Amino acid sequence: DTAVSQTPKYLVTQMGNDKSIKCEQNLGHDTMYWYKQDSKKFLKIMFSYNNKELIINETVPNRFSPKSPDKAHLNLHINSLELGDSAVYFCASSPRRGSGSNEQFFGPGTRLTVL
Amino acid sequence: QQPVQSPQAVILREGEDAVINCSSSKALYSVHWYRQKHGEAPVFLMILLKGGEQKGHEKISASFNEKKQQSSLYLTASQLSYSGTYFCGTEKGYSGGGADGLTFGKGTHLIIQP
Repeated sequence: DTAVSQTPKYLVTQMGNDKSIKCEQNLGHDTMYWYKQDSKKFLKIMFSYNNKELIINETVPNRFSPKSPDKAHLNLHINSLELGDSAVYFCASSPRRGSGSNEQFFGPGTRLTVL
Repeated sequence: QQPVQSPQAVILREGEDAVINCSSSKALYSVHWYRQKHGEAPVFLMILLKGGEQKGHEKISASFNEKKQQSSLYLTASQLSYSGTYFCGTEKGYSGGGADGLTFGKGTHLIIQP
């Protein structure tokens, strides 16, 4: 019973390509997130989605676009990949704020390598 | 703004205690603590929602001083399994509606030696 799943686990691609990472959660949570963890292990919020509405966008380049077909899915699409995009991308989900618990459940991560 | 964690790294022998600190220059709604092992996803340890709140999880506990905008994670009688990188994550003050993501500190690397 995987709570938050991501595909693919590894993604190796050339500069300039467009790629997508998929995320699904079966926890019934209202809010989903994308985080980027760089080579120095710094974990940074990129996006959060609540009921299909974008809540925050932390100065992420517009080459990155989250797409949520429904409450259980939040996919990350990246256009024109650059070397600096190489990182581990984590999807996470949490109950809506005020529900009594804001614990975030992380997916296993997708290691993106841009050559 | 990113919370500041200290120390950056700790090396302990099994059975020793450790304290990891997390401080913020902005008012906090909550403080989260996560542990990440190499090659794995961050795993939730605990969340502190109220000023002065202390919570415990086995031999791992934490405190939150809302006034000082600080939190500390206490690991007592450390075990080999405690090794990993510990992150504190903070949420901004609640502004109504929805949920914000977490702003994480740079992490504290904890190594437990037998």
